[in-house]
Amino acid sequence: EPEVTQTPSHQVTQMGQEVILRCVPISNHLYFYWYRQILGQKVEFLVSFYNNEISEKSEIFDDQFSVERPDGSNFTLKIRSTKLEDSAMYFCASSEFGTGITEAFFGQGTRLTVV
Amino acid sequence: SQQGEEDPQALSIQEGENATMNCSYKTSINNLQWYRQNSGRGLVHLILIRSNEREKHSGRLRVTLDTSKKSSSLLITASRAADTASYFCATDAEGAQKLVFGQGTRLTINP
Repeated sequence: EPEVTQTPSHQVTQMGQEVILRCVPISNHLYFYWYRQILGQKVEFLVSFYNNEISEKSEIFDDQFSVERPDGSNFTLKIRSTKLEDSAMYFCASSEFGTGITEAFFGQGTRLTVV
Repeated sequence: SQQGEEDPQALSIQEGENATMNCSYKTSINNLQWYRQNSGRGLVHLILIRSNEREKHSGRLRVTLDTSKKSSSLLITASRAADTASYFCATDAEGAQKLVFGQGTRLTINP
């Protein structure tokens, strides 16, 4: 069964460093998303991406964050200068059409620890 | 805010019993989705119910949706120890490409 895959599963980084989280969405899906979950809290929306551009972003997704689809299969989230409060589980998701129409499938997540 | 809220926050039952979790939301939606999350793991999609549907079944799962009350329920019948997890409802916003998650219900099935 097709699935969303994320790498790495766990990343530890120094405060102020740049990190890139990688995702391979399900191949025939057109919409891609990043969410995050701080330990013990709810899942929060970061950004949605369609047709090679951001379609929606949350207040969390400030200038320190960027997304890219560098080729036909990968979807990345870059955090330019990490802060302690960026420590969280980051989930990539994809859907065939928008979330108003079809299910969103999530990857296993990347646990980011900023020290 | 379009936040969904699950109720109860935690539920502990004996194996074999039924578990019911509720979700409320605030704005108009196209659909509502339920997800399961095992501790520290990814989100597994369980079921999607559209705004024009009132009930949907998938195996031991039964989901209802009442758009007039802006609420949904997830029923797991004949629970098993493997059902122990957190369960989240997520609503889409009409015209927006995002899901809004509730706080989740932590379900514990005791053997």
